[in-house]
Amino acid sequence: GAGVSQSPRYKVAKRGQDVALRCDPISGHVSLFWYQQALGQGPEFLTYFQNEAQLDKSGLPSDRFFAERPEGSVSTLKIQRTQQEDSAVYLCASSHYLDTQYFGPGTRLTVL
Amino acid sequence: GENVEQHPSTLSVQEGDSAVIKCTYSDSASNYFPWYKQELGKRPQLIIDIRSNVGEKKDQRIAVTLNKTAKHFSLHITETQPEDSAVYFCAVYKGKNRDDKIIFGKGTRLHILP
Repeated sequence: GAGVSQSPRYKVAKRGQDVALRCDPISGHVSLFWYQQALGQGPEFLTYFQNEAQLDKSGLPSDRFFAERPEGSVSTLKIQRTQQEDSAVYLCASSHYLDTQYFGPGTRLTVL
Repeated sequence: GENVEQHPSTLSVQEGDSAVIKCTYSDSASNYFPWYKQELGKRPQLIIDIRSNVGEKKDQRIAVTLNKTAKHFSLHITETQPEDSAVYFCAVYKGKNRDDKIIFGKGTRLHILP
């Protein structure tokens, strides 16, 4: 079946612009995670949903970052007033419940 | 909170030789330990995982060993091939509470030398 998909794959934004990144998890997966991966680093946790409930947002770096999953399926990560330090690959992962996570291809965000 | 350390950060091995990457963790309640392989510009892909009720798991050329007492686990790749060149990430997960999350190591860049 289809894996996790993300769009767009690449996004270039001018500093100060708002961006929205989309994640389509594997159908039926309850849990959805967002990670930020800087160049040469491991994925860093941002936030976690179980169905539509955002259970943990402790990794969001600032209040400019906002994530939602209103119907318990597709999720959107929104970054307001982007800054250069927001440049990274944003990975989405889903799992049936709480263990094996399957990653999407990521969105590479470049803020100029 | 959980602390995961991964070593080495870079590893070069001759094609055909074995590679070993080690991770240590701090929370003895952690019970799930996956390994991910990430090729340049691609998503992390799960290659093998182990749960705390077993000490070793093998899948063809890849194996993972777990020492719960010492709180470390290792990835072993035998008969390495050029396509094994990638960054490998270990991860640790407790999974007791619904807000537990997977913690990743910093990664090991594996180079297979011809």
